[in-house]
Amino acid sequence: QQQVKQSPQSLIVQKGGISIINCAYENTAFDYFPWYQQFPGKGPALLIAIRPDVSEKKEGRFTISFNKSAKQFSLHIMDSQPGDSATYFCAASIDNFNKFYFGSGTKLNVKP
Amino acid sequence: EAQVTQNPRYLITVTGKKLTVTCSQNMNHEYMSWYRQDPGLGLRQIYYSMNVEVTDKGDVPEGYKVSRKEKRNFPLILESPSPNQTSLYFCASSYWTGSANTGELFFGEGSRLTVL
Repeated sequence: QQQVKQSPQSLIVQKGGISIINCAYENTAFDYFPWYQQFPGKGPALLIAIRPDVSEKKEGRFTISFNKSAKQFSLHIMDSQPGDSATYFCAASIDNFNKFYFGSGTKLNVKP
Repeated sequence: EAQVTQNPRYLITVTGKKLTVTCSQNMNHEYMSWYRQDPGLGLRQIYYSMNVEVTDKGDVPEGYKVSRKEKRNFPLILESPSPNQTSLYFCASSYWTGSANTGELFFGEGSRLTVL
């Protein structure tokens, strides 16, 4: 049973558009919610992360929106670029960063 | 260069033939962990280690063993591999103590294992 549910599975966006990826969780003990970006043939790399006491975090074109009551969080990529084409994973952590649960991934394709 | 190095990167083996995937990091990280990545399932944690001689099970530990005898190394052992262990494996490391513990995982480039 997936602890973190991610959607959509794939996403096609035009250059300059907004990419939105959603995740939901059930376990209210999760206390850290990162997003990882993975390019083909590479390991995932941290993109941005948020704690549940904050509703939004922005770093450049990337924003996490966090809704604690709904147990949902999302990644917004503004002004999407072809270089953003990658697979994105949301995740949730528990137990002082010892355990991580990842979503199933979203393959983003930004068309020029 | 700060990195997590996994070997081998690619391996084809047969059912029952013991194998070890090595992982080494040069960042002096206390924490190390193994994941498997499968289509539609994302990454699932196999085992993790908070420091030398301290290991614990993740979400999918069955069929795997680990050891942490040195801080920099965290090998993944498949004693009797089966076809359902065919997967892409990632090792990750991070700081675990003090203010450096931000939760950021640093991943290796992966080891693709096929068990026939």
